Amino acid sequence: AQKITQTQPGMFVQEKEAVTLDCTYDTSDPSYGLFWYKQPSSGEMIFLIYQGSYDQQNATEGRYSLNFQKARKSANLVISASQLGDSAMYFCAMREGTSGATNKLIFGTGTLLAVQP
Amino acid sequence: KAGVTQTPRYLIKTRGQQVTLSCSPISGHRSVSWYQQTPGQGLQFLFEYFSETQRNKGNFPGRFSGRQFSNSRSEMNVSTLELGDSALYLCASSTPYEQYFGPGTRLTVT
Repeated sequence: AQKITQTQPGMFVQEKEAVTLDCTYDTSDPSYGLFWYKQPSSGEMIFLIYQGSYDQQNATEGRYSLNFQKARKSANLVISASQLGDSAMYFCAMREGTSGATNKLIFGTGTLLAVQP
Repeated sequence: KAGVTQTPRYLIKTRGQQVTLSCSPISGHRSVSWYQQTPGQGLQFLFEYFSETQRNKGNFPGRFSGRQFSNSRSEMNVSTLELGDSALYLCASSTPYEQYFGPGTRLTVT
């Protein structure tokens, strides 16, 4: 059964340092997509980055990069040069199958990141 | 380009009542998905609509229903509200590689 696991309930990082948020997934479908979202205390879900299962390169978007290790079924989010505004809940999510068939996402439980000055 | 919009943003209802939430996707997006977020259960998928057809449905009782109109706008309805339906309801519109969420509707059932 498809599953997303985020083992870090909370993390601290110093401003300007890099931080890695862990995410492992389980699926038997060879085609899937992995997403990361940021949810500040306001509640909005902000799309950060996407990685497809067939993508050869790790996805990057500005200060965000996704460390995709397919054999280990992990999709860790790396935030470089942390800023105070990065303090938020971060969710890893998976779409099992192609977008042509479904856009249903399964979410992990989230990691609460606190950036300290 | 306008983002995903949801109305209303906040809602207070009484047990037994029904509620309708609205979602307007990003222009050109044909897929709209709904999610429920609670502190206890986290983010759970409710259903997805694509071109006015329900394409997927989560594990929620029949009190939860939805529909999509020809302009891709979507509504979800919850009948006979229960206290446990208090949650943040999020709508998302999708392309193959991105899924954008609206600001959510915070429903409180008293």
